Amino acid sequence: DAGVTQSPTHLIKTRGQQVTLRCSPKSGHDTVSWYQQALGQGPQFIFQYYEEEERQRGNFPDRFSGHQFPNYSSELNVNALLLGDSALYLCASSPGLREQYFGPGTRLTVT
Amino acid sequence: GEDVEQSLFLSVREGDSSVINCTYTDSSSTYLYWYKQEPGAGLQLLTYIFSNMDMKQDQRLTVLLNKKDKHLSLRIADTQTGDSAIYFCAETDDSGNTPLVFGKGTRLSVIA
Repeated sequence: DAGVTQSPTHLIKTRGQQVTLRCSPKSGHDTVSWYQQALGQGPQFIFQYYEEEERQRGNFPDRFSGHQFPNYSSELNVNALLLGDSALYLCASSPGLREQYFGPGTRLTVT
Repeated sequence: GEDVEQSLFLSVREGDSSVINCTYTDSSSTYLYWYKQEPGAGLQLLTYIFSNMDMKQDQRLTVLLNKKDKHLSLRIADTQTGDSAIYFCAETDDSGNTPLVFGKGTRLSVIA
């Protein structure tokens, strides 16, 4: 059984550009959460998707948006990239809110 | 709001026990988790404890919870060099309304 997968592994973008990150959840998991982990920090919650709807949202601007597809996979979109958006973006899947299993992350560098 | 605090660094000798501590502020915390992150990798769920338990043991890992003091610890017995990583404490409540709140992580260095 494959765990949580994310693509791409690394990404370099320029300020002002837009980026899309992808996540496939663990088999049997219907809930996907996204976290941003800045260097030297713990992960910060961005938002969570369940049944193709955003169920919870953390303290992130509207430039951060997402989507969940019928197969439970998810995308994170970030518009108008800022230097401060450089971070490791982690996707976690779970059957509900407990026992979240994380993917390897996408390392985004904004120059 | 919720807050989770951890000491930033811990150094132990191979074969010794490691104890990583965590304190949290949210009295409604119901589930408390320990995650491990190796360099350049995602987070690996190690174990979790429900707030009505005092202790949970899983092979070399022992989790102790003092709910009165809002203090959580992770003990790793017979620490190995492969245990070198960053360990994150995280909490959530049982309402289904709050996501995981993480500490800043404790970097464990194991000296051979």
